[in-house]
Amino acid sequence: GQQLNQSPQSMFIQEGEDVSMNCTSSSIFNTWLWYKQDPGEGPVLLIALYKAGELTSNGRLTAQFGITRKDSFLNISASIPSDVGIYFCAGQYGAGSYQLTFGKGTKLSVIP
Amino acid sequence: GAGVSQSPSNKVTEKGKDVELRCDPISGHTALYWYRQSLGQGLEFLIYFQGNSAPDKSGLPSDRFSAERTGGSVSTLTIQRTQQEDSAVYLCASSFLTSNQPQHFGDGTRLSIL
Repeated sequence: GQQLNQSPQSMFIQEGEDVSMNCTSSSIFNTWLWYKQDPGEGPVLLIALYKAGELTSNGRLTAQFGITRKDSFLNISASIPSDVGIYFCAGQYGAGSYQLTFGKGTKLSVIP
Repeated sequence: GAGVSQSPSNKVTEKGKDVELRCDPISGHTALYWYRQSLGQGLEFLIYFQGNSAPDKSGLPSDRFSAERTGGSVSTLTIQRTQQEDSAVYLCASSFLTSNQPQHFGDGTRLSIL
């Protein structure tokens, strides 16, 4: 089946630093999504990408949908303590197959 | 409510018992999904309901797992004869049934099998 490889698995950064994480897939996806999950809560959607090559920003977050449709990255600029959490990438094939395939997550820790 | 609502938030039960988990999707969302998240892992797809069509059950791990969605709204995930490996957080998501509509998640039910 489809698998998503997400890296890094965990990161420790200083407040104010920029962060980059990425996902690669063995299969093509038509939609890439990035979610953030805080302890005891469900994932919250950060950015959705629908077209190959698309670059989308949401405040300090920027994500790109790779040209090959097999990868995506998420950048966080000028990190702050509330950025702490687990970030998941997810791919969706669409066209009648709407379930999401998730990466295993990147755990981000921000040192004040 | 405004978001996806799941109940109970926590459930502890003995091995071999049956459990029912409930999901109330966002009003107007016709697609509903169940996922399972084991400790330290990503989310694993279980089952997908779309409108009045037959559900996609391809992710259910065994015949002990089943789900219903009555009236196109509330869904119940049932696990029969629970095993310790069923311990996980069970998450529900909903979306509009058109392309390019992202899924919105509830906070999940944390299931612990003793």
